[in-house]
Amino acid sequence: GAVVSQHPSWVICKSGTSVKIECRSLDFQATTMFWYRQFPKQSLMLMATSNEGSKATYEQGVEKDKFLINHASLTLSTLTVTSAHPEDSSFYICSAMQGSGADTQYFGPGTRLTVL
Amino acid sequence: RKEVEQDPGPFNVPEGATVAFNCTYSNSASQSFFWYRQDCRKEPKLLMSVYSSGNEDGRFTAQLNRASQYISLLIRDSKLSDSATYLCVVNPTDSWGKFQFGAGTQVVVTP
Repeated sequence: GAVVSQHPSWVICKSGTSVKIECRSLDFQATTMFWYRQFPKQSLMLMATSNEGSKATYEQGVEKDKFLINHASLTLSTLTVTSAHPEDSSFYICSAMQGSGADTQYFGPGTRLTVL
Repeated sequence: RKEVEQDPGPFNVPEGATVAFNCTYSNSASQSFFWYRQDCRKEPKLLMSVYSSGNEDGRFTAQLNRASQYISLLIRDSKLSDSATYLCVVNPTDSWGKFQFGAGTQVVVTP
């Protein structure tokens, strides 16, 4: 149980385009999902907390207008990188918590974004 | 000071040997701790949770020392497949769910 999927697993795009990444909890309902970014040889950095039915909470330094998050259902959260630039190239990982009060996060397989 | 600190390694371990490494955390109010394993270019996968003094799962043993604010992970009888980066993760009580990640400890098990 507790499987989280992400789509796409990798994407290459031109500078200036927008990229949408989907995160789904396959066998449980996730009221809270998290979006992380990881650069090579660095740890995961939390970008935002996504709550179903409400606005996402962004970490300091993360532009909410650039990284649009939508958590429309209990099993789906999306991250849209708008007007992507080469510096946005990174490994984006989502995670989901299984129900309120839970404290274990299950991670999706990640999306590797390369912006040319 | 980082919220969660780990020795980056690498720890080079002969197959069959035992390896142990620590992780220190700064938030004394933290209640739950985790060890995740991350393979190169993959997502973190939960290895074990640590809530009280420790936890053991097969060849893996985690210990929690609240007084000194560190958790440790010990791997016995190391296998080649244990080669990975081990992430220490803290779930702080005052911002529940906003995991704090260590940068990871790399373990390389050699034949």
